[in-house]
Amino acid sequence: DVKVTQSSRYLVKRTGEKVFLECVQDMDHENMFWYRQDPGLGLRLIYFSYDVKMKEKGDIPEGYSVSREKKERFSLILESASTNQTSMYLCASSLGGSEDTQYFGPGTRLTVL
Amino acid sequence: GQSLEQPSEVTAVEGAIVQINCTYQTSGFYGLSWYQQHDGGAPTFLSYNALDGLEETGRFSSFLSRSDSYGYLLLQELQMKDSASYFCAVRVGYNQGGKLIFGQGTELSVKP
Repeated sequence: DVKVTQSSRYLVKRTGEKVFLECVQDMDHENMFWYRQDPGLGLRLIYFSYDVKMKEKGDIPEGYSVSREKKERFSLILESASTNQTSMYLCASSLGGSEDTQYFGPGTRLTVL
Repeated sequence: GQSLEQPSEVTAVEGAIVQINCTYQTSGFYGLSWYQQHDGGAPTFLSYNALDGLEETGRFSSFLSRSDSYGYLLLQELQMKDSASYFCAVRVGYNQGGKLIFGQGTELSVKP
């Protein structure tokens, strides 16, 4: 079974803090993704990566950056957290090629005060 | 722009059949997927249609018409455990990421 884990289930941070969200997958997947999920807005792609050290902006990259130094790990960074970044953050991975099923982690509910 | 439209909520009774529609307008199309998400849980993959027609997996079926930019998820013999949110997603990239664009989700409530 594919397993995608995220470093925290719940996180509370203050405005202006630097926040790191970590995601690890154990199936040697090529692709990794960061989404945020807000009520009524579905899942919106922040950044994705198709290879180590490669990254692509998604639909809402502003205020975020990412790092992928190892194949299994994909980090989302909020350089200076703001209250409008309070959300559920979901990480996903996929094998790539014709197989595009994305496997999601349990999510991190981030609250920025 | 890129958009997917699906109903925000649907209610049905146990044992019934329900259809959740999805229309899309995207730049690039490699397939339509459906994901299920229970309250507090992670989205999980249900089905994928790359070609026109019906795909059946147990009680769930998914249909695609590329000429109409339309698909649906059909759930038969509804059970209480089917109460969840259902998302359609279009694959808009193939190489370099397999990027998906998700709809806003349909909340399905199954009543006894």
